[in-house]
Amino acid sequence: AQKVTQAQTEISVVEKEDVTLDCVYETRDTTYYLFWYKQPPSGELVFLIRRNSFDEQNEISGRYSWNFQKSTSSFNFTITASQVVDSAVYFCGIYSGAGSYQLTFGKGTKLSVIP
Amino acid sequence: DAGVIQSPRHEVTEMGQEVTLRCKPISGHNSLFWYRQTMMRGLELLIYFNNNVPIDDSGMPEDRFSAKMPNASFSTLKIQPSEPRDSAVYFCASRKEESYNEQFFGPGTRLTVL
Repeated sequence: AQKVTQAQTEISVVEKEDVTLDCVYETRDTTYYLFWYKQPPSGELVFLIRRNSFDEQNEISGRYSWNFQKSTSSFNFTITASQVVDSAVYFCGIYSGAGSYQLTFGKGTKLSVIP
Repeated sequence: DAGVIQSPRHEVTEMGQEVTLRCKPISGHNSLFWYRQTMMRGLELLIYFNNNVPIDDSGMPEDRFSAKMPNASFSTLKIQPSEPRDSAVYFCASRKEESYNEQFFGPGTRLTVL
């Protein structure tokens, strides 16, 4: 079975601060894929990134960066110089195993960026 | 490209009524998923279709729930009869062929059963 833990239920930061959202996963498979999705107040789920288990390179996309560490089974997400528009619930998820379709999500972290 | 389309966006109904939620996946995607999101349980997978065939419906809560995918561009999720505990946001998502691809979600249907 696969599992994702997002220990931070809610985080508040002041605009322009950096913030890191934690994601810890569990799986017995050697092949797996990790994801982050954003759910803004409007409700839709927006895909942010996919990372496979064989690629531990960190990724940067504008103000967003992701740190994948297999040694600690973590896939953390950092927002640099946060903005009010970053306020949302962020979900980390995992597919694991060949032919997998079961995308298991964590409970989500609600980020509030205060102006 | 249009994303996943869901209708209605909001539905308010009374207990005992039949509810039908609709989904049009992204063209060319061959996998379709129905999820339910509640505060208590988070995001739960209800059913998964691949090439219009239901592969896993183990997440469907009860016999009151049923889903169909008559063709590659349309799916429905029906609740009959509806109950107040069915109140939730229901998402449809679609995905391209390869299993590791990301799922793209629709805007969701917010269902309220009074």
